[in-house]
Amino acid sequence: AQSVTQLDSQVPVFEEAPVELRCNYSSSVSVYLFWYVQYPNQGLQLLLKYLSGSTLVKGINGFEAEFNKSQTSFHLRKPSVHISDTAEYFCAVSARTGGFKTIFGAGTRLFVKA
Amino acid sequence: EAQVTQNPRYLITVTGKKLTVTCSQNMNHEYMSWYRQDPGLGLRQIYYSMNVEATDKGDVPEGYKVSRKEKRNFPLILESPSPNQTSLYFCASSSDSTNQPQHFGDGTRLSIL
Repeated sequence: AQSVTQLDSQVPVFEEAPVELRCNYSSSVSVYLFWYVQYPNQGLQLLLKYLSGSTLVKGINGFEAEFNKSQTSFHLRKPSVHISDTAEYFCAVSARTGGFKTIFGAGTRLFVKA
Repeated sequence: EAQVTQNPRYLITVTGKKLTVTCSQNMNHEYMSWYRQDPGLGLRQIYYSMNVEATDKGDVPEGYKVSRKEKRNFPLILESPSPNQTSLYFCASSSDSTNQPQHFGDGTRLSIL
Protein backbone atom coordinates (compact mmCIF):
# COMPACT_ATOMS: atom_id res chain seq x y z
CA ALA A 1 0.00 0.00 0.00
CA GLN A 2 1.07 3.55 -0.59
CA SER A 3 0.60 6.74 1.42
CA VAL A 4 1.36 10.39 0.80
CA THR A 5 2.09 13.12 3.32
CA GLN A 6 2.10 16.76 2.38
CA LEU A 7 3.97 18.41 5.17
CA ASP A 8 2.36 21.85 5.01
CA SER A 9 -1.36 22.49 4.86
CA GLN A 10 -0.86 26.16 3.99
CA VAL A 11 2.07 28.08 2.56
CA PRO A 12 1.88 31.88 2.40
CA VAL A 13 4.52 33.56 0.27
CA PHE A 14 5.13 36.96 -1.29
CA GLU A 15 4.95 37.47 -5.03
CA GLU A 16 8.25 36.83 -6.86
CA ALA A 17 9.63 34.84 -3.93
CA PRO A 18 10.66 31.19 -4.35
CA VAL A 19 8.47 28.45 -2.94
CA GLU A 20 8.82 24.78 -2.05
CA LEU A 21 5.85 22.52 -1.34
CA ARG A 22 6.91 19.36 0.42
CA CYS A 23 5.69 15.84 -0.25
CA ASN A 24 6.84 12.57 1.30
CA TYR A 25 5.54 9.19 0.34
CA SER A 26 5.79 5.61 1.52
CA SER A 27 5.47 2.49 -0.57
CA SER A 28 6.71 -1.08 -0.55
CA VAL A 29 6.86 -1.10 -4.37
CA SER A 30 8.12 1.19 -7.08
CA VAL A 31 5.87 4.12 -7.78
CA TYR A 32 5.05 6.91 -10.16
CA LEU A 33 4.75 10.37 -8.62
CA PHE A 34 2.63 13.36 -9.61
CA TRP A 35 1.74 16.90 -8.70
CA TYR A 36 -1.62 18.43 -9.49
CA VAL A 37 -2.98 21.96 -9.10
CA GLN A 38 -6.57 22.87 -8.31
CA TYR A 39 -7.83 26.39 -8.87
CA PRO A 40 -11.02 27.49 -7.09
CA ASN A 41 -14.18 25.76 -8.33
CA GLN A 42 -12.27 23.67 -10.83
CA GLY A 43 -11.04 20.14 -11.22
CA LEU A 44 -7.39 19.18 -10.92
CA GLN A 45 -4.77 19.77 -13.59
CA LEU A 46 -1.64 17.69 -13.92
CA LEU A 47 1.45 19.86 -13.27
CA LEU A 48 4.16 17.26 -13.71
CA LYS A 49 4.98 13.62 -13.24
CA TYR A 50 7.93 11.40 -12.47
CA LEU A 51 7.90 8.06 -14.26
CA SER A 52 11.59 7.17 -14.55
CA GLY A 53 14.92 8.60 -15.62
CA SER A 54 16.09 12.05 -14.53
CA THR A 55 15.08 12.83 -10.98
CA LEU A 56 14.46 16.49 -11.78
CA VAL A 57 11.14 16.87 -13.52
CA LYS A 58 9.95 20.07 -15.17
CA GLY A 59 6.27 20.83 -15.50
CA ILE A 60 3.92 23.52 -16.64
CA ASN A 61 3.79 27.10 -15.33
CA GLY A 62 7.48 27.09 -14.35
CA PHE A 63 7.17 24.41 -11.68
CA GLU A 64 9.66 21.61 -11.17
CA ALA A 65 10.00 18.73 -8.73
CA GLU A 66 12.82 16.51 -7.61
CA PHE A 67 12.45 12.83 -6.86
CA ASN A 68 14.62 11.72 -3.96
CA LYS A 69 14.41 7.97 -3.55
CA SER A 70 16.51 7.75 -0.38
CA GLN A 71 14.35 10.32 1.38
CA THR A 72 11.15 9.16 -0.33
CA SER A 73 10.31 12.73 -1.21
CA PHE A 74 9.01 14.59 -4.24
CA HIS A 75 9.08 18.28 -3.39
CA LEU A 76 7.62 20.86 -5.75
CA ARG A 77 9.48 24.13 -6.38
CA LYS A 78 9.12 27.36 -8.26
CA PRO A 79 11.85 30.03 -8.26
CA SER A 80 9.47 33.00 -8.50
CA VAL A 81 5.74 32.79 -7.85
CA HIS A 82 2.93 34.93 -9.21
CA ILE A 83 -0.39 35.91 -7.73
CA SER A 84 -2.00 33.55 -10.25
CA ASP A 85 -0.22 30.58 -8.62
CA THR A 86 -2.56 30.87 -5.65
CA ALA A 87 -4.28 27.48 -5.59
CA GLU A 88 -4.29 24.12 -3.86
CA TYR A 89 -1.58 21.65 -4.80
CA PHE A 90 -1.82 17.90 -4.46
CA CYS A 91 0.93 15.33 -4.49
CA ALA A 92 -0.07 11.84 -5.64
CA VAL A 93 1.46 8.40 -6.03
CA SER A 94 0.52 5.22 -7.81
CA ALA A 95 2.12 1.82 -7.90
CA ARG A 96 3.85 0.82 -11.11
CA THR A 97 1.72 -2.28 -11.09
CA GLY A 98 -1.63 -2.90 -9.55
CA GLY A 99 -4.26 -1.19 -11.59
CA PHE A 100 -5.40 2.38 -11.89
CA LYS A 101 -5.20 3.30 -8.19
CA THR A 102 -3.86 6.70 -7.26
CA ILE A 103 -3.32 7.94 -3.69
CA PHE A 104 -3.46 11.68 -3.09
CA GLY A 105 -2.05 13.76 -0.28
CA ALA A 106 -4.28 16.08 1.73
CA GLY A 107 -3.20 19.12 -0.25
CA THR A 108 -1.21 22.30 0.34
CA ARG A 109 -2.87 25.65 -0.10
CA LEU A 110 -0.42 28.12 -1.64
CA PHE A 111 -1.35 31.72 -1.02
CA VAL A 112 0.68 34.31 -2.92
CA LYS A 113 0.56 37.81 -1.49
CA ALA A 114 1.32 41.06 -3.33
CA GLU B 1 -11.97 20.30 -27.05
CA ALA B 2 -10.95 17.47 -24.71
CA GLN B 3 -13.48 17.32 -21.92
CA VAL B 4 -14.73 15.35 -18.96
CA THR B 5 -18.29 16.43 -18.28
CA GLN B 6 -20.07 15.79 -15.01
CA ASN B 7 -23.71 16.38 -14.23
CA PRO B 8 -25.18 17.78 -12.13
CA ARG B 9 -22.67 20.32 -10.80
CA TYR B 10 -24.66 20.82 -7.61
CA LEU B 11 -27.29 18.67 -5.92
CA ILE B 12 -29.07 18.88 -2.60
CA THR B 13 -31.13 15.82 -1.74
CA VAL B 14 -32.37 13.79 1.17
CA THR B 15 -31.21 10.60 2.82
CA GLY B 16 -32.25 7.45 1.02
CA LYS B 17 -33.24 8.97 -2.30
CA LYS B 18 -31.30 7.23 -5.07
CA LEU B 19 -29.20 9.48 -7.26
CA THR B 20 -26.85 9.19 -10.21
CA VAL B 21 -24.00 11.49 -11.13
CA THR B 22 -23.12 11.17 -14.79
CA CYS B 23 -19.63 11.42 -16.25
CA SER B 24 -18.77 11.49 -19.91
CA GLN B 25 -15.44 11.94 -21.73
CA ASN B 26 -14.88 12.70 -25.41
CA MET B 27 -11.26 11.52 -25.69
CA ASN B 28 -11.83 7.80 -26.18
CA HIS B 29 -9.91 7.15 -22.95
CA GLU B 30 -9.81 3.64 -21.54
CA TYR B 31 -9.27 4.57 -17.91
CA MET B 32 -11.86 6.40 -15.84
CA SER B 33 -12.23 6.93 -12.11
CA TRP B 34 -14.28 8.63 -9.42
CA TYR B 35 -12.92 10.53 -6.42
CA ARG B 36 -14.40 12.34 -3.50
CA GLN B 37 -12.70 15.39 -2.02
CA ASP B 38 -13.13 16.27 1.64
CA PRO B 39 -11.35 19.02 3.58
CA GLY B 40 -8.06 17.85 5.06
CA LEU B 41 -8.28 14.47 3.32
CA GLY B 42 -7.39 15.32 -0.25
CA LEU B 43 -8.93 13.13 -2.94
CA ARG B 44 -9.86 9.55 -2.22
CA GLN B 45 -10.56 7.12 -5.01
CA ILE B 46 -14.01 5.51 -4.97
CA TYR B 47 -13.97 3.29 -8.05
CA TYR B 48 -12.01 3.03 -11.23
CA SER B 49 -12.46 1.38 -14.60
CA MET B 50 -9.82 0.07 -16.97
CA ASN B 51 -12.21 -0.40 -19.89
CA VAL B 52 -15.79 -1.30 -20.78
CA GLU B 53 -17.22 -3.80 -18.30
CA ALA B 54 -14.02 -3.67 -16.20
CA THR B 55 -14.33 -1.87 -12.87
CA ASP B 56 -12.67 -2.19 -9.49
CA LYS B 57 -12.90 -0.71 -6.04
CA GLY B 58 -10.76 2.17 -4.91
CA ASP B 59 -10.15 3.11 -1.29
CA VAL B 60 -13.66 4.22 -0.29
CA PRO B 61 -16.22 2.23 -2.33
CA GLU B 62 -18.81 1.64 0.40
CA GLY B 63 -22.21 3.07 -0.48
CA TYR B 64 -21.38 3.61 -4.15
CA LYS B 65 -21.87 1.71 -7.38
CA VAL B 66 -20.54 2.30 -10.87
CA SER B 67 -21.02 0.86 -14.31
CA ARG B 68 -19.09 1.06 -17.57
CA LYS B 69 -21.33 -0.07 -20.39
CA GLU B 70 -19.84 2.34 -22.92
CA LYS B 71 -16.32 3.64 -23.16
CA ARG B 72 -17.29 7.30 -22.84
CA ASN B 73 -19.60 7.05 -19.82
CA PHE B 74 -18.90 6.16 -16.20
CA PRO B 75 -21.85 7.02 -13.95
CA LEU B 76 -21.61 7.04 -10.14
CA ILE B 77 -24.69 5.70 -8.37
CA LEU B 78 -25.67 6.27 -4.77
CA GLU B 79 -28.44 3.76 -4.11
CA SER B 80 -29.32 5.04 -0.63
CA PRO B 81 -27.39 8.24 0.06
CA SER B 82 -26.50 9.17 3.61
CA PRO B 83 -25.21 12.45 5.10
CA ASN B 84 -21.63 11.12 5.31
CA GLN B 85 -21.62 11.06 1.50
CA THR B 86 -21.93 14.84 1.41
CA SER B 87 -18.81 15.78 -0.50
CA LEU B 88 -17.27 17.16 -3.68
CA TYR B 89 -16.99 14.48 -6.35
CA PHE B 90 -14.66 14.36 -9.34
CA CYS B 91 -14.61 12.12 -12.35
CA ALA B 92 -11.34 11.67 -14.21
CA SER B 93 -10.11 9.90 -17.32
CA SER B 94 -6.80 8.82 -18.77
CA SER B 95 -5.35 7.14 -21.82
CA ASP B 96 -2.15 6.45 -19.92
CA SER B 97 -1.42 3.13 -18.34
CA THR B 98 0.97 4.77 -15.87
CA ASN B 99 -2.03 4.92 -13.61
CA GLN B 100 -2.59 8.60 -13.18
CA PRO B 101 -5.72 10.56 -14.03
CA GLN B 102 -5.01 13.08 -16.79
CA HIS B 103 -8.26 14.95 -17.21
CA PHE B 104 -10.69 15.88 -14.47
CA GLY B 105 -14.26 17.08 -14.63
CA ASP B 106 -15.22 20.31 -12.87
CA GLY B 107 -16.76 18.49 -9.93
CA THR B 108 -20.18 17.75 -8.46
CA ARG B 109 -21.04 19.10 -5.05
CA LEU B 110 -23.49 16.79 -3.30
CA SER B 111 -25.31 17.65 -0.10
CA ILE B 112 -27.27 14.85 1.54
CA LEU B 113 -29.65 16.09 4.23
